[in-house]
Amino acid sequence: AQSVSQHNHHVILSEAASLELGCNYSYGGTVNLFWYVQYPGQHLQLLLKYFSGDPLVKGIKGFEAEFIKSKFSFNLRKPSVQWSDTAEYFCAVGGGYQKVTFGTGTKLQVIP
Amino acid sequence: EAQVTQNPRYLITVTGKKLTVTCSQNMNHEYMSWYRQDPGLGLRQIYYSMNVEVTDKGDVPEGYKVSRKEKRNFPLILESPSPNQTSLYFCASSLWGDNSPLHFGNGTRLTVT
Repeated sequence: AQSVSQHNHHVILSEAASLELGCNYSYGGTVNLFWYVQYPGQHLQLLLKYFSGDPLVKGIKGFEAEFIKSKFSFNLRKPSVQWSDTAEYFCAVGGGYQKVTFGTGTKLQVIP
Repeated sequence: EAQVTQNPRYLITVTGKKLTVTCSQNMNHEYMSWYRQDPGLGLRQIYYSMNVEVTDKGDVPEGYKVSRKEKRNFPLILESPSPNQTSLYFCASSLWGDNSPLHFGNGTRLTVT
């Protein structure tokens, strides 16, 4: 069975600080990896995805993630966060037959 | 506008009173799914459907029913709600294919007293 671990449950940063959110997965086959963002009071939106090719994936709003197969990791990064990045971030792994498993989420609070 | 529409946004009900949460998508997506979101637990899949008349259990199906009579609609039915089903529910859809991202509805916050 596939699983996803997000190690940081709550992260507090000041504006302009760099961000890295950890995500580790377990799955025996070819994986598709996603990061979703949920702004306060809103639904989840796709931030970026990886399914093949360049392991460094760029998404919307300056976010990027790096797929490291040997570490089973797909960490999310942003060089300089803004107050508007305050949200909850979910890592997800898609396995076969559309089975998508989500991590427990990381709440990011950016202080102006 | 391409979207997934859930109704209602908020629902307060009592134990045992049957309810239905509707979900409709206008993107001609084959795949639809229901999730519940609880603090500290992330999103857990309740049921999913790969196409019309094809549904299957997710990770937490107990106490829920679904149907997929039309491609665009995927209602979630709670025959006899209980307080442990108090949660935030999301419907999602996608094209068929493992790398297709999910499109989420705005959520339904359900309280069962």
